[in-house]
Amino acid sequence: NAGVTQTPKFRVLKTGQSMTLLCAQDMNHEYMYWYRQDPGMGLRLIHYSVGEGTTAKGEVPDGYNVSRLKKQNFLLGLESAAPSQTSVYFCASSGDRGRLDEQFFGPGTRLTVL
Amino acid sequence: KNQVEQSPQSLIILEGKNCTLQCNYTVSPFSNLRWYKQDTGRGPVSLTIMTFSENTKSNGRYTATLDADTKQSSLHITASQLSDSASYICVVSAKDRGSTLGRLYFGRGTQLTVWP
Repeated sequence: NAGVTQTPKFRVLKTGQSMTLLCAQDMNHEYMYWYRQDPGMGLRLIHYSVGEGTTAKGEVPDGYNVSRLKKQNFLLGLESAAPSQTSVYFCASSGDRGRLDEQFFGPGTRLTVL
Repeated sequence: KNQVEQSPQSLIILEGKNCTLQCNYTVSPFSNLRWYKQDTGRGPVSLTIMTFSENTKSNGRYTATLDADTKQSSLHITASQLSDSASYICVVSAKDRGSTLGRLYFGRGTQLTVWP
């Protein structure tokens, strides 16, 4: 069981470039999330999904898009990267209906936008 | 406004000593409170979870307490080890009656450093 995996681990972009972050989970979880973590701030929810084919906006969705074409994958896209999107991005999943709030996190992707 | 405040922001202790981290929240309607440990360069990992009716929960050398009346929680670490050096994040879930998915509110974390 790999749990939650994220690719890539590190990435450097120039302003205006686009990229996609991939999250995969092998726990058959229904719910998946994308967060960003900035120094001195708590984790902030970008987008989330409550099942295959569904997505919803979180707290800070602007500048990001997501897709959940397969239950095990959740993609986060940046269409035109900005320096303000420099951050560490975490993917998480949860699935036990009795303990939906227990989220399992991936190792993170460190993104720098120049 | 739903908020989670943690203190102190950072803490340095010597190996073998005990410490207590604080979490105050104003989240409503309260569902549960969870403490996560985040090692440098890693994702957070759940340590304990407490619901409204629970006032203490242990996980090895970690003991969490919850006072739902004052909306305060603490995480006590006993006989600290170098591997306890990490950020400890308090997360409170708000969930309306009948909802299956709660809204999570994250604290900013307490950065704990354990020195030999």
